[in-house]
Amino acid sequence: NAGVMQNPRHLVRRRGQEARLRCSPMKGHSHVYWYRQLPEEGLKFMVYLQKENIIDESGMPKERFSAEFPKEGPSILRIQQVVRGDSAAYFCASSPAPAGSGNQPQHFGDGTRLSIL
Amino acid sequence: RKEVEQDPGPFNVPEGATVAFNCTYSNSASQSFFWYRQDCRKEPKLLMSVYSSGNEDGRFTAQLNRASQYISLLIRDSKLSDSATYLCVVKGFTGGGNKLTFGTGTQLKVEL
Repeated sequence: NAGVMQNPRHLVRRRGQEARLRCSPMKGHSHVYWYRQLPEEGLKFMVYLQKENIIDESGMPKERFSAEFPKEGPSILRIQQVVRGDSAAYFCASSPAPAGSGNQPQHFGDGTRLSIL
Repeated sequence: RKEVEQDPGPFNVPEGATVAFNCTYSNSASQSFFWYRQDCRKEPKLLMSVYSSGNEDGRFTAQLNRASQYISLLIRDSKLSDSATYLCVVKGFTGGGNKLTFGTGTQLKVEL
């Protein structure tokens, strides 16, 4: 029973390039969340998606960052024109429950470590 | 004020000791509470949910005080393998949904 799958595990990009991070939720989970962990900091919420819908993007930077969760395929976090400050670990989590169901925990993938040269 | 506050530690304890971590949260509308552990900046793993009545899972006991907006985690008979960063996590329904808000974590080092 596969958990949350993220790829790639490590991604190196030069400044100005694009980074695409992928996340496949656990089987049966239709809710996906992206979090970012900067060096020496805690995890920060970025975006919450359900299939084909962005529910909450209050943690996403207004520029260069976008996320999608299409009907078929994994969720994608896309960062355009990357800068050094984008270097971080990006974690994806999934859950089976809709909002309002209380204590359903989120299960995390192994993360993608993004390094910007 | 941070939404979720924890003492960063580190807490250095000998094997077999009992250690307690505390956490406070600012949003009284928060609905659900969890403790996660994170090893060497790997993925966070759920340790336990926290219920108002308090709950226990083996050597781990979690408590929630809604009036004081305070959460605790007690680890008894600590093992070397308990060395990790413990994340206090709060889930609320303000701002649109299920987002988790993490504390910066408390580092525990269990020593021989």
